[in-house]
Amino acid sequence: QAMVTQEPSLTVSPGGTVTLTCDSSTGAVTSGHYPYWFQQKPGQGPRTLIYHTSKKHSWTPARFSGSLLGGKAALTLSGAQPEDEAEYYCLLLYSGYWVFGGGTKLTVL
Amino acid sequence: EVQLVESGGGLVQPGGSLRLSCAASGFTFSNYWMTWVRQAPGKGLEWVANIKQDGSEKYYVDSVKGRFTISRDNAKSSLFLQMNTLRAEDTAVYYCGGGSYLDYWGQGTLVTVSS
Repeated sequence: QAMVTQEPSLTVSPGGTVTLTCDSSTGAVTSGHYPYWFQQKPGQGPRTLIYHTSKKHSWTPARFSGSLLGGKAALTLSGAQPEDEAEYYCLLLYSGYWVFGGGTKLTVL
Repeated sequence: EVQLVESGGGLVQPGGSLRLSCAASGFTFSNYWMTWVRQAPGKGLEWVANIKQDGSEKYYVDSVKGRFTISRDNAKSSLFLQMNTLRAEDTAVYYCGGGSYLDYWGQGTLVTVSS
């Protein structure tokens, strides 16, 4: 099965902007992979932030946005808040099965 | 209020079996694909299995094929994961998820496979 790669860790300053990426071992990530982005804080289950590349749930803060960037799925956080410090996972669909990325630990410092 | 509540986790010896359950409420369970995802201690999320609304399609990660079976009971708004021939590497918190776009997630149930 395919492998999905994310940056292991990133740091952003409060109020700053950061982009997390999600790369596929099979080639360019496209909208056909229906990219998802999840946030997970310690001791909690995952929370879906973005689905189908760029769509937001009602609970997704406006400062989060999803896109395709240079053959990868991307999650951009504009105006980082201390509460955004968490682990972020992308999820891609491959012909009936799903694969998570390894996660990015985002530090707001 | 939407709730997904997992149960059935615990300590089991290698080679043993467990059946996880996920009780759904607050949404029309039968309308949605449902998913099991797991997270080994200190590790990332891993997709385990999906099941279509009517149970006619099921997909599994390679590492559990032939050992795990996902099923559902729409009349009882419940999702299940039958886990057989368990291995140490199956030790994880197991989460159920679902909804139109994976909107809903439970808090997880811990499965520990150890002698």
